[in-house]
Amino acid sequence: DSGVTQTPKHLITATGQRVTLRCSPRSGDLSVYWYQQSLDQGLQFLIQYYNGEERAKGNILERFSAQQFPDLHSELNLSSLELGDSALYFCASSVYGGDTLNTQYFGPGTRLTVL
Amino acid sequence: GQSLEQPSEVTAVEGAIVQINCTYQTSGFYGLSWYQQHDGGAPTFLSYNGLDGLEETGRFSSFLSRSDSYGYLLLQELQMKDSASYFCASNAGKSTFGDGTTLTVKP
Repeated sequence: DSGVTQTPKHLITATGQRVTLRCSPRSGDLSVYWYQQSLDQGLQFLIQYYNGEERAKGNILERFSAQQFPDLHSELNLSSLELGDSALYFCASSVYGGDTLNTQYFGPGTRLTVL
Repeated sequence: GQSLEQPSEVTAVEGAIVQINCTYQTSGFYGLSWYQQHDGGAPTFLSYNGLDGLEETGRFSSFLSRSDSYGYLLLQELQMKDSASYFCASNAGKSTFGDGTTLTVKP
């Protein structure tokens, strides 16, 4: 158990809908990352927040947005969902937001299925 | 931009040694991390190289050569439970993971 929690574990929805994925980082961690992993694919970095501020952005679609709240939990909002958005979405947290050793601790993931 | 390349698949037998290579092209490189992911599970941190050389953690070792933009993960005394995907990752500017190497350990 990494100490990172994600809810829900599974989510099934229809095309065109909007969903919200939630992540609570490990106690003391200030940074939260979001990743998308499609079937048999690598981890695609979406976005990183550090202490409430956006720190880095990856290949995140305009239909997706995220935020980190004052209590440091984060939410990833996915809208106008398409079949291709079906994937495993991971949240990770780390103590720092910097570029050096910054071990990321991953949550169990949310499996999103768009029908 | 950043890119990390690693082989897609590696197969080895129980008890053997296997090396998973990672070559990278990044600007502002700071170091290379390695993560393990079992099928359907969450990635877990294995090792980090911030400086050139070898880092050893039990049966796992990781190596970095900045001059060659190259690193590797070495797994010794392979066990069946080591069958998993292994990712190299860089944290320069934004988090970037390689596409992963699927290791299959056979009896």
